[in-house]
Amino acid sequence: GIQVEQSPPDLILQEGANSTLRCNFSDSVNNLQWFHQNPWGQLINLFYIPSGTKQNGRLSATTVATERYSLLYISSSQTTDSGVYFCGFKETSGSRLTFGEGTQLTVNP
Amino acid sequence: DAGVTQSPTHLIKTRGQQVTLRCSPKSGHDTVSWYQQALGQGPQFIFQYYEEEERQRGNFPDRFSGHQFPNYSSELNVNALLLGDSALYLCASSWRGVGHNEQFFGPGTRLTVL
Repeated sequence: GIQVEQSPPDLILQEGANSTLRCNFSDSVNNLQWFHQNPWGQLINLFYIPSGTKQNGRLSATTVATERYSLLYISSSQTTDSGVYFCGFKETSGSRLTFGEGTQLTVNP
Repeated sequence: DAGVTQSPTHLIKTRGQQVTLRCSPKSGHDTVSWYQQALGQGPQFIFQYYEEEERQRGNFPDRFSGHQFPNYSSELNVNALLLGDSALYLCASSWRGVGHNEQFFGPGTRLTVL
């Protein structure tokens, strides 16, 4: 079946540091989304990025579909960036998003 | 523009009972997907509804069923609840048009089975 692997599983940073989160997937991609899960459990959309690069403020993401990975960059991290980051992958056939296990990010003041 | 809404927020049931969770999609969306998220794990796909029919199903037993109404809202029903059904249930909506399959999630319903 489809495999989605996220790394690292845990990341602890000091405020102001930069970080890179990685998502590897095992099949051809139709849709790749990055989410931040807030403390109440809601998944907040960060990027819809099946290919290419996008930036939104301090966050940016790159998906290299031919090599089956996506990266989420967080620059000048803030304590409010803490939480779990998920990538969700949808293959070219089918409708479901398959999620990785997430990266738990902790940003200390 | 209202986002995806879900009700109730929290629910406590006992083993063997039945539960119904509700979801209203984002304005302009016609497709609803349901996911189960156990503690410490990523969301797992349950099923997806479009045009009032179940279109794709994940690896969940028949105790999990659903419905979509003409206004695109949806219900998730779980019968004969087990302790292992305790989880966060997330609803996502999207539009089935070509090139528009970004999914947006609701705040979730936290189900506890005692």
